[in-house]
Amino acid sequence: GAVVSQHPSWVICKSGTSVKIECRSLDFQATTMFWYRQFPKQSLMLMATSNEGSKATYEQGVEKDKFLINHASLTLSTLTVTSAHPEDSSFYICSASTTSGVYEQYFGPGTRLTVT
Amino acid sequence: DAKTTQPNSMESNEEEPVHLPCNHSTISGTDYIHWYRQLPSQGPEYVIHGLTSNVNNRMASLAIAEDRKSSTLILHRATLRDAAVYYCILSALVTGNQFYFGTGTSLTVIP
Repeated sequence: GAVVSQHPSWVICKSGTSVKIECRSLDFQATTMFWYRQFPKQSLMLMATSNEGSKATYEQGVEKDKFLINHASLTLSTLTVTSAHPEDSSFYICSASTTSGVYEQYFGPGTRLTVT
Repeated sequence: DAKTTQPNSMESNEEEPVHLPCNHSTISGTDYIHWYRQLPSQGPEYVIHGLTSNVNNRMASLAIAEDRKSSTLILHRATLRDAAVYYCILSALVTGNQFYFGTGTSLTVIP
């Protein structure tokens, strides 16, 4: 149980275009979802926290107008990278957690974004 | 803000126990201690978590110091599949359960 999927697993886009990444909890209801970014040979960096039906809370230094997060249901959150630039190329990972007294976060497999 | 300190890398021989240390001297009373591991180009995988008492599961054991300022992840018999980056993370539900990853420990298992 506790499976999180991401789609797509990899994407290549041109500079200036927008890309949407989906994160789904397949067998549980995720009241909270998190989005992370990871550059090569670096650790994961938390970008934002998203609660179902609420606006996302962004970490300091993360542009909310550039990284649009929507958490419209208990099983789906989306991250849209708007006007992507080559420096946005990274590995984007989502995670999900519940409020059932379980404190773990369940991570998706990640999405590799390359902006050309 | 990462609140944990781990060695950058460790090596272990296959089928031997591995003790991965983590220092978290600024831990608060409501912080849980989590361990995750990550293989290249994959999302992190849950290993174990605890609050005050030592914990065991099928993957590993977690030994927590009495003052909670440090903990040790114990892999009882390392296999080649255990080679990964191991992250020790603190989080508190009262503040939103955010995970701030440190640099982690890259574990190499030698056949």
